[in-house]
Amino acid sequence: DVKVTQSSRYLVKRTGEKVFLECVQDMDHENMFWYRQDPGLGLRLIYFSYDVKMKEKGDIPEGYSVSREKKERFSLILESASTNQTSMYLCASSSGGGPSYEQYFGPGTRLTVT
Amino acid sequence: KQEVTQIPAALSVPEGENLVLNCSFTDSAIYNLQWFRQDPGKGLTSLLLIQSSQREQTSGRLNASLDKSSGRSTLYIAASQPGDSATYLCCFQGGSEKLVFGKGTKLTVNP
Repeated sequence: DVKVTQSSRYLVKRTGEKVFLECVQDMDHENMFWYRQDPGLGLRLIYFSYDVKMKEKGDIPEGYSVSREKKERFSLILESASTNQTSMYLCASSSGGGPSYEQYFGPGTRLTVT
Repeated sequence: KQEVTQIPAALSVPEGENLVLNCSFTDSAIYNLQWFRQDPGKGLTSLLLIQSSQREQTSGRLNASLDKSSGRSTLYIAASQPGDSATYLCCFQGGSEKLVFGKGTKLTVNP
């Protein structure tokens, strides 16, 4: 079974802090994704990556950056956390070679910025 | 811009009832349609994926159908149980790796 893990289930940070959210998948998937989920807004794509060192902006990349130095690991970085980045963050992965592949999600990280 | 709509937003049924969740999308250039389940405070669990060449997929008490011409997908749950209570999300994948999600249907199955 595919396993996608996220470094923390709950995280509390202060405004202005630099925040790292880590995601690891164990199925050698090419594609990895970061979403945030907010009540009434649903899931929104922040960034995704097709391969190591590759990244593409999603729908809401402002205030975020990403890093993919190894195939299995995709990091989301909040350079200077703000209260409007309080949210549930979900990582996902899928195999490459075309779009018709199932996405597998991690358990999520609930981030609170105070 | 692709939009995915799920109706109803919330549904409450007695245990044992068969039910249908609806999902509609605006873009007919679909690659696949995926249904997920999300429990409160948790990540998404994939239930069924229907590729564009397929009309339906089944897993246990779940059956998902896809009608590309009308831009609709349904998730049928047979003999519902309290453990089925969760939010169900459908998502559309078109000509890229990106998914477009509906806002979900929150299902409550009452014992």
